[in-house]
Amino acid sequence: KQEVTQIPAALSVPEGENLVLNCSFTDSAIYNLQWFRQDPGKGLTSLLLIQSSQREQTSGRLNASLDKSSGRSTLYIAASQPGDSATYLCAPISYNTDKLIFGTGTRLQVFP
Amino acid sequence: EPEVTQTPSHQVTQMGQEVILRCVPISNHLYFYWYRQILGQKVEFLVSFYNNEISEKSEIFDDQFSVERPDGSNFTLKIRSTKLEDSAMYFCASRDVSGNTIYFGEGSWLTVV
Repeated sequence: KQEVTQIPAALSVPEGENLVLNCSFTDSAIYNLQWFRQDPGKGLTSLLLIQSSQREQTSGRLNASLDKSSGRSTLYIAASQPGDSATYLCAPISYNTDKLIFGTGTRLQVFP
Repeated sequence: EPEVTQTPSHQVTQMGQEVILRCVPISNHLYFYWYRQILGQKVEFLVSFYNNEISEKSEIFDDQFSVERPDGSNFTLKIRSTKLEDSAMYFCASRDVSGNTIYFGEGSWLTVV
């Protein structure tokens, strides 16, 4: 059974810092992994999807890496801004299934 | 940009009442999902739906839950007899046949009193 852990649980930083958010998963037989952003009381916004054959994926200031063999993915946020404040969730999908398994997330606060 | 839309955004219902949550997935998508998030907890998978039938469901999705695609655009989640522990944010999601990105709606917040 897939278990997803995200570290740190919370992070508070001044704007401009480069950030690293970690995600680990127990079942390395994943098909792909998605990173989401969730603002308080809101839905999930897809940030990046990494296929199992990819090592990394980039979108603007965001870069996500994937190391399947070690069961880890990392989300890098460059030059953080107050608007980046949100909870960040990672969710892999294993082979032979069509469901995302979510971690508890990293709650990020970026202050001016 | 196409998006998944959900109604209602918030519903308060009495325990034992039936609730229907509605979703309009992105128009060319064929895979549909419901997830839920109890306040302060993880987002949990409920059910996936493809080709007019359930393709996968979780242990949470028991006999009091059902899903339906009544027409070409709507996808609904029905909770037959609500319980206090059904209070949660319910998210609808969809993806197309060729893509792997799953897109979520803004959620329907259900409060059972």
